[in-house]
Amino acid sequence: LAKTTQPVSMDSYEGQEVNITCSHNNIATNDYITWYQQFPSQGPRFIIQGYKTKVTNEVASLFIPADRKSSTLSLPRVSLSDTAVYYCLVGASNNAGNMLTFGGGTRLMVKP
Amino acid sequence: DSGVTQTPKHLITATGQRVTLRCSPRSGDLSVYWYQQSLDQGLQFLIHYYNGEERAKGNILERFSAQQFPDLHSELNLSSLELGDSALYFCASSLRTGGDRKETQYFGPGTRLLVL
Repeated sequence: LAKTTQPVSMDSYEGQEVNITCSHNNIATNDYITWYQQFPSQGPRFIIQGYKTKVTNEVASLFIPADRKSSTLSLPRVSLSDTAVYYCLVGASNNAGNMLTFGGGTRLMVKP
Repeated sequence: DSGVTQTPKHLITATGQRVTLRCSPRSGDLSVYWYQQSLDQGLQFLIHYYNGEERAKGNILERFSAQQFPDLHSELNLSSLELGDSALYFCASSLRTGGDRKETQYFGPGTRLLVL
């Protein structure tokens, strides 16, 4: 499974746009990219998923360049409630026992 | 609400004891995953079941075991508990494993275990 690398932490201010980039150099041809958000003492929550170019939903946008070796989660106009840990995952678990793993994620702190 | 339920929400027990955590996946989901998260730590994958069969093991201690029943609910058994086992235990479910290289896991609210 593709290994992912993302910043350990980021700081932002309310109202700003936040972009979190994840590197996944060995992404496989059929792998999708999925982002999750986790608040303290809660389970991770699915935010967005994509394969290429751009995906947008009511919460975020996901930008994936043509080579797919990285992806950027974009959170528009963040608020204090967006303070959380954000995880980038690539691909899926398979029948051979290879598991998706949640790395350390990116700890986003939104300040007033 | 993810549709995944976990019981109990909180559990306080003593060292050396045994506890059972229960998870009911979303309707239709065949895969169940168990994770452990200690204070301010990342999610540690423990074990994965698919349609009743164990598919993968992560960093699961020998004192821990799990199973998935015919109705697809799952139980995680923790025995000979130690202080260091205190953590949040999450269960997640997904519709399928492998295949199309696209997977979304839906997490339950977790069980907070405190070993005294």
